[in-house]
Formats: sequence, structure tokens, C-alpha cells
Amino acid sequence: AQSVTQPDIHITVSEGASLELRCNYSYGATPYLFWYVQSPGQGLQLLLKYFSGDTLVQGIKGFEAEFKRSQSSFNLRKPSVHWSDAAEYFCAVGPFLSGNTPLVFGKGTRLSVIA
Amino acid sequence: IAGITQAPTSQILAAGRRMTLRCTQDMRHNAMYWYRQDLGLGLRLIHYSNTAGTTGKGEVPDGYSVSRANTDDFPLTLASAVPSQTSVYFCASSQAGTGELFFGEGSRLTVL
Repeated sequence: AQSVTQPDIHITVSEGASLELRCNYSYGATPYLFWYVQSPGQGLQLLLKYFSGDTLVQGIKGFEAEFKRSQSSFNLRKPSVHWSDAAEYFCAVGPFLSGNTPLVFGKGTRLSVIA
Repeated sequence: IAGITQAPTSQILAAGRRMTLRCTQDMRHNAMYWYRQDLGLGLRLIHYSNTAGTTGKGEVPDGYSVSRANTDDFPLTLASAVPSQTSVYFCASSQAGTGELFFGEGSRLTVL
């Protein structure tokens, strides 16, 4: 069965510092991979997604993620964090070209940003 | 652009009572989902529907039921609420084959 692991429950970074949030997945086929962000009291918003092709994908708000098949990873990065990036981040995996099988989400990583 | 509308946004409910959380989308997506979000457990799928007239069970379906009479609406019913169903509930939708989910703002439910 597919699963997603986000090893870091909570990360604190200084404003302006770089950020990397880790995501590892277990999936028997070629996956769709997603990162979502949830601001306090809000629903989830899509940051970026990987379906195929270039393994480095760009998303909104200056985020990027790199798909590494050999490591079963899809880590999220941002070169310079802003205070407004403080939120909960979720990695998710789904089946490639297999209709509407629901996504499986990781447990999330909470990002705190300090001055 | 409304997207997904959930109601109520917040509710306190006595244990044993029946409760329906409403979800409506205006994007004509064929698939809809209900997740619950609990601290430390992330998002867990309760039920889903790939198209109007069909539903499926997710990871934590016990105590919940859904129906999908049309494309736009996907209500979630708790027949007899229990305190362990205290959670934030999110409805989501997606278009076939894309995998991308669009989420509502959530419904916070407290069962006492």
C-alpha cells in the first residue's frame, strides 16, 4: 500500500534562511506527487505537483521540489523563507493515470519562521 | 469564484446526536472526498466518490456515511456522534485523472 512519510513534525527557520522539507513515499507504480500548504484556520492549497518529465518542479510562492526516484523522495525547498511562509506543509502521493484513486497524505510538517 | 463551500464552519454537538456536514462544489469536478484532520495524524480519508451515484470507503469510514445524488453535493453524515469524532473536516474535489485536490475551508466539529 502507498504511504508518505514526512520525518520532521516541526521545523523552525530564521527569516531569509533556506528551507528544505523532507518527503519520502512508498508506491508501487509511477506516482503523482504533490505539496500542499495550509495556513492557520484555512483549507489546503496546492503549492506544486510532479507528474512526469523534469524532476525539478517549480511552484507558487517561490517553492520548488525535486523528485528523486532512486531515493523515493520529493523534498520541498525554498531559498529564502519569508515570515508569511509559516504554515503546515503536506506531501501527498497518488497513482499516475489511474483515475480518481484518492491521494494519500503525509502527517505534515509545521514550519515556524523567526525574525 | 466559490470553489468548494462547506457548512457549517463550526459546530458543537452533544454525543448521540445526528449531524450532517454539507459540501457543495461549483467546478463540475467528478470526484469528491471527505478528510478529517487531527493533530499529529494529518489528513485521513473518510469517504470518497469518483462520480455521482458512487461512493467508496477511505481509511476511517466507521461512524460516517455519505451520499452523492448529483455532481455538486457530497454531504457527510454522523448518525450518532461520539467524542472521538471531534475534528476538523475537509471536503475536497478533483477532476478525473489530474489527482489535484481542491479543498474547502473546513468544518470544525466538537462532540461533547
